Amino acid sequence: DAGVIQSPRHEVTEMGQEVTLRCKPISGHNSLFWYRQTMMRGLELLIYFNNNVPIDDSGMPEDRFSAKMPNASFSTLKIQPSEPRDSAVYFCASSIDDILGLAGGQNTGELFFGEGSRLTVL
Amino acid sequence: AQSVTQPDIHITVSEGASLELRCNYSYGATPYLFWYVQSPGQGLQLLLKYFSGDTLVQGIKGFEAEFKRSQSSFNLRKPSVHWSDAAEYFCAVGRTSYDKVIFGPGTSLSVIP
Repeated sequence: DAGVIQSPRHEVTEMGQEVTLRCKPISGHNSLFWYRQTMMRGLELLIYFNNNVPIDDSGMPEDRFSAKMPNASFSTLKIQPSEPRDSAVYFCASSIDDILGLAGGQNTGELFFGEGSRLTVL
Repeated sequence: AQSVTQPDIHITVSEGASLELRCNYSYGATPYLFWYVQSPGQGLQLLLKYFSGDTLVQGIKGFEAEFKRSQSSFNLRKPSVHWSDAAEYFCAVGRTSYDKVIFGPGTSLSVIP
């Protein structure tokens, strides 16, 4: 089975440019999470979606960051304009979450991570 | 607010030796607790999780962890470390099984042949 797929794996851009990171979650998963990993701050949750709806975006650093999930199989994280301090590895993760108990309330609790997108802003 | 601390930034052990990685959390109720492992250049993989019940949980790759409420700890253990266990290990806590999961700073494990 295909895991979480992220693209691009590596992105080098110049300050001020727009960056779009993409994620395809595992088929059948209904929650999607965007994390950012840096040496200084570790793993930070930026935003997460359940059934394509943003549930908590309190971790999004500022208005330059935006995320969308137009359907169950695709999400984007956009940075516009990008800055050097945005350099990090961005991870997408998905999971099965039965928040409403429609499937018996069984939540696996396991996040399945993609391999990450390493962003360098010069 | 929930938080996770991992007191050891880096640990080095000899292959075949036992391992214990420490994790302490701060949360008002019984949290959902996780251990993840990250190999270089890879995403994170779940080793084990604790939701309720038996406080000693078994995971993949021979790892286990014990939840101790009185100490607010969830330490990870392995009786005999293999060279392939060298990686970064993250303890994490969630308010529920599906709510946002907060990760600790990680412990880097090196294994000496």
